Amino acid sequence: DSGVTQTPKHLITATGQRVTLRCSPRSGDLSVYWYQQSLDQGLQFLIQYYNGEERAKGNILERFSAQQFPDLHSELNLSSLELGDSALYFCASSGGEGSGTGELFFGEGSRLTVL
Amino acid sequence: GEDVEQSLFLSVREGDSSVINCTYTDSSSTYLYWYKQEPGAGLQLLTYIFSNMDMKQDQRLTVLLNKKDKHLSLRIADTQTGDSAIYFCAETGGSYIPTFGRGTSLIVHP
Repeated sequence: DSGVTQTPKHLITATGQRVTLRCSPRSGDLSVYWYQQSLDQGLQFLIQYYNGEERAKGNILERFSAQQFPDLHSELNLSSLELGDSALYFCASSGGEGSGTGELFFGEGSRLTVL
Repeated sequence: GEDVEQSLFLSVREGDSSVINCTYTDSSSTYLYWYKQEPGAGLQLLTYIFSNMDMKQDQRLTVLLNKKDKHLSLRIADTQTGDSAIYFCAETGGSYIPTFGRGTSLIVHP
């Protein structure tokens, strides 16, 4: 058990809809990362938050947004969903920049299926 | 091209050694990592190597780093069926954000 909790584990929705994925980081970790894992793109970095502030952006679509709340949990919002958004979305946490070896602790992922 | 490249599949017999290879592009990476993903689970750090090292050994695992060729390898000695999983190579580069390869599916046959 990594200590990172993601909900929901599975989500099935229709094109055009909006969903919210939730992540609770490991206790004491200030950084949260979101990754998208799909068969054709592999594991793609989306966005990082550190102590409530956006720190880095990767290949995140404009239809997607995220935030980190004062209690350090994070939410990833996906809107106007398309078939191609079907993927496994991982949240990971760490102590932040300069924190030891930079190891990330991953949740079990949220599997999104868009029909 | 991709920042981190690795072959997609490797099949070995139980008891043999497995070698998973990876090439990366960012020479400023301080650490390079190997993560393991078992079915239905998230990625878990298996081992890492500091960029000023050439080799790191941890029980059955040996990591070799060739900085000149930007090549990283993971050797698993005496591979067991429980080692069947997807193995990801990752680098951080100057951004401290891990960039992952596509993962190598290791299949271990009894």
